[in-house]
Amino acid sequence: NAGVTQTPKFRILKIGQSMTLQCTQDMNHNYMYWYRQDPGMGLKLIYYSVGAGITDKGEVPNGYNVSRSTTEDFPLRLELAAPSQTSVYFCASSYSSKGNTEAFFGQGTRLTVV
Amino acid sequence: TQLLEQSPQFLSIQEGENLTVYCNSSSVFSSLQWYRQEPGEGPVLLVTVVTGGEVKKLKRLTFQFGDARKDSSLHITAAQPGDTGLYLCAGHTLYNFNKFYFGSGTKLNVKP
Repeated sequence: NAGVTQTPKFRILKIGQSMTLQCTQDMNHNYMYWYRQDPGMGLKLIYYSVGAGITDKGEVPNGYNVSRSTTEDFPLRLELAAPSQTSVYFCASSYSSKGNTEAFFGQGTRLTVV
Repeated sequence: TQLLEQSPQFLSIQEGENLTVYCNSSSVFSSLQWYRQEPGEGPVLLVTVVTGGEVKKLKRLTFQFGDARKDSSLHITAAQPGDTGLYLCAGHTLYNFNKFYFGSGTKLNVKP
C-alpha cells in the first residue's frame, strides 16, 4: 500500500536555486494539497487541486507553483529559493472535500535553503 | 494569523493527569477533524466531528464540536507517555469547501 509518496525526503538548496518536490498518490483521490510546516507549528496550505487540470492558491502561495496534469501527480515547484522557504513540506490527498473524508499524508520533504 | 487557532501551544504534564486542547475559529466549519503527528511523520486522523454539539469518544480521548460549529475541544483522561505528540485540528469552512485548513497545533509532552 503506497498511499502518498513524496520525493526527495531531504534537500539542501542554495538561495536562488530552483527545485521540484514530487508527490504521487495511488488511491485515485481527486483532492490533493501541499502544506508547509515550520518547527513545532501547524500546517499552512500552499496550493490545492480538486482534480486533474484544476489548481488554486491556499494561504501561502507566494514563491511556489503547482501543476496537476494527472490524477496521481501533484508536483510543487520552487523557482527562486529563499531562506524563508526552509520548512518541511507535506503533500496530502483525499477522496472528496466532504467533512468526514480522511486526508492521507506523505512522509514529508525537509527542505533547507542556505 | 491562522484560520484555526489552537490553545495551548505547548503542554507538558505528568502521566495520569487530564488535559484539554482547544481549537477556535471565527468561521463556521462543515466539520472538524483532529490529527496526531509524530516527529518525522505526516499527520494521522484521530476523529471527525460533523454535527454541532457532537461528542465522540476514542478510548481516553473525548472530542466535542461546538454548537455553532466554530470550535472544538479534545480532552484526554489519564494521559500516558504514548499520547505525546503534536495535535492538530483541521477542517473545511462552509464558504470554501475545497480548502482544507489546519490549526496552529498543540505540542503535548507526557512525562512518565
